[in-house]
Amino acid sequence: AQKITQTQPGMFVQEKEAVTLDCTYDTSDQSYGLFWYKQPSSGEMIFLIYQGSYDEQNATEGRYSLNFQKARKSANLVISASQLGDSAMYFCAMREEYNFNKFYFGSGTKLNVKP
Amino acid sequence: GAVVSQHPSWVICKSGTSVKIECRSLDFQATTMFWYRQFPKQSLMLMATSNEGSKATYEQGVEKDKFLINHASLTLSTLTVTSAHPEDSSFYICSARGLGANEQYFGPGTRLTVT
Repeated sequence: AQKITQTQPGMFVQEKEAVTLDCTYDTSDQSYGLFWYKQPSSGEMIFLIYQGSYDEQNATEGRYSLNFQKARKSANLVISASQLGDSAMYFCAMREEYNFNKFYFGSGTKLNVKP
Repeated sequence: GAVVSQHPSWVICKSGTSVKIECRSLDFQATTMFWYRQFPKQSLMLMATSNEGSKATYEQGVEKDKFLINHASLTLSTLTVTSAHPEDSSFYICSARGLGANEQYFGPGTRLTVT
């Protein structure tokens, strides 16, 4: 089974509106970390936000927030007030405690922000 | 902070030659560095993990004799693609993680084209 599933290959959102990018994960570990990265067309991977499995509060970083639903094993990224510069690929990733070095990446979601 | 650089950003080489890609952590000590490969419109595929001063750990299916990784210092790791072939053409991205840190910080990537 895939460790990380991103079911939306592409998304469109109107500028200034909010958008949710879906991510579900599969692990039997009790301790794990969830990450979101942004990859613009230039190719660089930009770290956005982190959520630990034991964190009770949903992580927030500026316009990014992570909607963490542990029982559903989902870690959706919410981008508020979308900007044209948000157009990029977005990858969800997970790291399990027993293998601290290995990141599992999803297949990515291509977000297009329309003016 | 947490800047990772890669050099070169793109390289074209002839089949049969070797290419070295450098990955540097500029403002932190990277105890662990990672090398990924990314095909067009696909996710990142972890090739290997290296800890400073140790031999790299390669993922299943990655030829260690073809993709030589050296992590000689806390700020530098190199990936050498030996006897390159056109099928090695890809986008190679490194990332680095400091001791005890949660997130990995990625370099800008190197686009390799083998003719």
